[in-house]
Amino acid sequence: SQQGEEDPQALSIQEGENATMNCSYKTSINNLQWYRQNSGRGLVHLILIRSNEREKHSGRLRVTLDTSKKSSSLLITASRAADTASYFCATDAGETSGSRLTFGEGTQLTVNP
Amino acid sequence: SQTIHQWPATLVQPVGSPLSLECTVEGTSNPNLYWYRQAAGRGLQLLFYSVGIGQISSEVPQNLSASRPQDRQFILSSKKLLLSDSGFYLCAWSDYYGYTFGSGTRLTVV
Repeated sequence: SQQGEEDPQALSIQEGENATMNCSYKTSINNLQWYRQNSGRGLVHLILIRSNEREKHSGRLRVTLDTSKKSSSLLITASRAADTASYFCATDAGETSGSRLTFGEGTQLTVNP
Repeated sequence: SQTIHQWPATLVQPVGSPLSLECTVEGTSNPNLYWYRQAAGRGLQLLFYSVGIGQISSEVPQNLSASRPQDRQFILSSKKLLLSDSGFYLCAWSDYYGYTFGSGTRLTVV
């Protein structure tokens, strides 16, 4: 079953603008991760935020986590055409038998030059 | 450094034929290994995961099976493919910092 749900499903912006994608989940988590997927390719890990963290930065990426609302957001600042891709959030419940990621359906981001 | 190899990149198979997709990991020992499937335009669905040699957990009942004959080898198989088995299959391994995915196999069952 899907745990994370991203919104919007699709987002189209102009180069230089910021892009914000949101993710909501239903159960308790150990951490939440964001991934990027270019069309027809594998997923690339962007950032991991643990349940005791509220905000994390990596380059032009900023991730927030609100465990009380069971939601996370991914902000890409000063977007570039090369940022065009699908972005997925995934939650890890951190089970002792081996962590398993549950993915959302993704947000398709298009950055127009 | 750790790398993950997955092959083939694309595969077209007739209905009823067998399937074997292989994934190997380098640069780590005793990794957790995973097989995911992605339908077109959708998120990833976990199919199987393994925490050690010979240990396989299945997340959803289906026409597929998995095996882990060696520590760094994970194989996805089917005896008879169905049309509904078409999709993008991704192998992955995980550590404390997150998951690393292979480049995927696009399977088309015709």
